[in-house]
Amino acid sequence: EIVLTQSPGTLSLSPGERATLSCRASQSVSSSYLAWYQQKPGQAPRLLIYGASSRATGIPDRFSGSGSGTDFTLTISRLEPEDFAVYYCQQYGSSGTFGQGTKVEIK
Amino acid sequence: QVQLQESGPGLVKPSETLSLTCTVSGYSISSGYYWGWIRQPPGKGLEWIGSIYHSGSTYYNPSLKSRVTISVDTSKNQFSLKLSSVTAADTAVYYCARAWFGVDYFDYWGQGTLVTVSS
Repeated sequence: EIVLTQSPGTLSLSPGERATLSCRASQSVSSSYLAWYQQKPGQAPRLLIYGASSRATGIPDRFSGSGSGTDFTLTISRLEPEDFAVYYCQQYGSSGTFGQGTKVEIK
Repeated sequence: QVQLQESGPGLVKPSETLSLTCTVSGYSISSGYYWGWIRQPPGKGLEWIGSIYHSGSTYYNPSLKSRVTISVDTSKNQFSLKLSSVTAADTAVYYCARAWFGVDYFDYWGQGTLVTVSS
């Protein structure tokens, strides 16, 4: 099973700042089969990125994904108030596993 | 607009079988895509349970495979989850969602339903 480790656990930033979230896999993720989700309290996850770097329908361009192999990054270029949430990565190249999440909180 | 809605008992006794149904609206399951279940224990991360195609082809998480059955009823535009021999560790919010392939990312999600395992 591929284990995904997200860092940091919590990111404290102010609106307007840049957020950089990391997702590291225990082994290479085939064909960059990696997705990112945003989850707010009491809500279902929302797909942001698939294929490591493709934005899902309706996702603002301040969200971008990059990486390959074992190291992936989600970048939020300028944080909006609605972006403060928990973010999960998921690999779907071998079974389907999720990272433990990174919480982006208001500083 | 694709919508998914989970339904089923909110309380299940230990050792019994958890049963949930997901009703899809705005899209015919028979037209394609895979349909999956994901769960999230309170305050914890997400875990993929398994997915099914309208033909009945299934993919399961190896760690849960021995206890999971996912089935589909195209006439009702529904798919279902059964998880046997539940324990308190199975207490979670259970989500149903849509995927492009058997092991894939999920683009549409239901709102989730909390299932508590307790006597």
